[in-house]
Amino acid sequence: DAGVIQSPRHEVTEMGQEVTLRCKPISGHDYLFWYRQTMMRGLELLIYFNNNVPIDDSGMPEDRFSAKMPNASFSTLKIQPSEPRDSAVYFCASSLARPDTQYFGPGTRLTVL
Amino acid sequence: AQSVTQLDSQVPVFEEAPVELRCNYSSSVSVYLFWYVQYPNQGLQLLLKYLSGSTLVKGINGFEAEFNKSQTSFHLRKPSVHISDTAEYFCAVSRQGGSEKLVFGKGTKLTVNP
Repeated sequence: DAGVIQSPRHEVTEMGQEVTLRCKPISGHDYLFWYRQTMMRGLELLIYFNNNVPIDDSGMPEDRFSAKMPNASFSTLKIQPSEPRDSAVYFCASSLARPDTQYFGPGTRLTVL
Repeated sequence: AQSVTQLDSQVPVFEEAPVELRCNYSSSVSVYLFWYVQYPNQGLQLLLKYLSGSTLVKGINGFEAEFNKSQTSFHLRKPSVHISDTAEYFCAVSRQGGSEKLVFGKGTKLTVNP
């Protein structure tokens, strides 16, 4: 199995631009999670899906952030417009069932100038 | 709500020495507990987990952890560390019978020196 795949691995953009992060979960996994990691705040859960349906988006910082999961093998996290304080590493993770292990992707390092 | 406290942000040790990374949690209900490891520029991977049963849990790479309900702790231990164990370690908790959300601690950076 290829594991969780995220793209791009690195993204540098300017303030005000739209950013789209992509994730392909492990095949057959029912749950997909988006996290953000920063030095100041640590690892924060942004949103998670079960069977492509958003279950809890209480961690999404504001309306500039949105996430979708159009099918079982693909999810996106979009930031529009981006701001310098959005600079962080964004991880996608998937799991088979609760309370099973979450498998993390390699992350996308986002830098907003 | 659940919360996790990792008492040490950084732990330096010498190679072949024992190490203990501390984790305490707060919850009004029963929980599941996890330790994850993050190597530089990588995602997190599971070291071990406590779901039920024996309070001593063994994981990968020679790590083990003990669940202590009375002290609400889940400390991670290894009797002899290697240079390759240098990484950041995260303790996490989720509520039994609740959502699938994991609440992570701030992490402990373990540095193993030769």
